[in-house]
Amino acid sequence: AQSVTQLDSQVPVFEEAPVELRCNYSSSVSVYLFWYVQYPNQGLQLLLKYLSGSTLVESINGFEAEFNKSQTSFHLRKPSVHISDTAEYFCAVKGDDMRFGAGTRLTVKP
Amino acid sequence: DTGVSQNPRHKITKRGQNVTFRCDPISEHNRLYWYRQTLGQGPEFLTYFQNEAQLEKSRLLSDRFSAERPKGSFSTLEIQRTEQGDSAMYLCASSLYPHEQYFGPGTRLTVT
Repeated sequence: AQSVTQLDSQVPVFEEAPVELRCNYSSSVSVYLFWYVQYPNQGLQLLLKYLSGSTLVESINGFEAEFNKSQTSFHLRKPSVHISDTAEYFCAVKGDDMRFGAGTRLTVKP
Repeated sequence: DTGVSQNPRHKITKRGQNVTFRCDPISEHNRLYWYRQTLGQGPEFLTYFQNEAQLEKSRLLSDRFSAERPKGSFSTLEIQRTEQGDSAMYLCASSLYPHEQYFGPGTRLTVT
């Protein structure tokens, strides 16, 4: 089975600052990696995914994540955040089954 | 298509009562998943259907829980003899491809 650790439960940042949300995983099998975002009072939305190929994957709203196999990490980054990025972010790993991290609450302050 | 829908959005019930939740997936999606999410945690997998067949069940799905997808379209999740520990958000997701799940807004269950 897999496990996922999101190293920060809360990340407060100011608008236009860069941000990194950290995600580490463990697995004995090959995995697929995902980041989901949950805005207040909404369901989870797929933000980006790594299945194979390039280890750097990007979303349409400026987020990117890099799969690092040696460090078993899939950190999420954005060079300049907006107020509208305030949400809960979940890292997920699919190996034998789908496992989610506990989430990181990103709060962007003006 | 407006995405995955779940009903009801909120349910308050007394301990010992039975509850049933419904999930309507995106119409062309043959895969359907149920998850449970408690406060401060990520979703935990409960069960998975491909068409009408229930292919996977988590150990979290006790005998009091049952899920069905009779015609391969909508699904129901029933909890019998609810306990306070069942209080959680119950999420449904659907997919056409195995690695891209689309989630509904969830049903929040409160057991008093």
